[in-house]
Amino acid sequence: SAVISQKPSRDICQRGTSLTIQCQVDSQVTMMFWYRQQPGQSLTLIATANQGSEATYESGFVIDKFPISRPNLTFSTLTVSNMSPEDSSIYLCSVEGSGQGYEKLFFGSGTQLSVL
Amino acid sequence: EDKVVQSPLSLVVHEGDTVTLNCSYEVTNFRSLLWYKQEKKAPTFLFMLTSSGIEKKSGRLSSILDKKELFSILNITATQTGDSAIYLCALRINTGKLIFGQGTTLQVKP
Repeated sequence: SAVISQKPSRDICQRGTSLTIQCQVDSQVTMMFWYRQQPGQSLTLIATANQGSEATYESGFVIDKFPISRPNLTFSTLTVSNMSPEDSSIYLCSVEGSGQGYEKLFFGSGTQLSVL
Repeated sequence: EDKVVQSPLSLVVHEGDTVTLNCSYEVTNFRSLLWYKQEKKAPTFLFMLTSSGIEKKSGRLSSILDKKELFSILNITATQTGDSAIYLCALRINTGKLIFGQGTTLQVKP
């Protein structure tokens, strides 16, 4: 399985500010996925980040609110912009396994975001 | 619309009990069905199922997929307090993304 480092682990932010979450993988991966888990809810895909191209956003998520960078095959960032209390969630990055395990998706440790 | 439904939403049992968690879906085409355990923030991988009728086992946990009836179950035997978690079922569709169910919150009491 891939080793995925995600930071920060948690943060408390003020309304109107932005937070950038980093995701570092110990191996090269083609696709990286960013998920959000609102309190008491399941995981919802925000976008798919491919190296060398624009991220693909799911319905209800826009680039201005959640800009994503993917500068190389081992790293990605998700920014939560102009935050409001409704953005309080766990944010998770995810990558495919390697080799024959590529169908399995593995998750980073998650970022617990609270917006005041 | 692709949909994954888990039941029950929550469950309280005592140590030693056996539990069965259900995952039904309305997805036309998918690549695999995956089960995850979420204790704090990060879901950890349990099983991946692609073929109908083949049981996957790992210790006290086992899972099976029925593509005809469109469901999967996750069994946990001889439950322990450390099994307390949210169990998530997800389908990996052809675009590569996962569609998650609501999750089942399991609490195992001593």
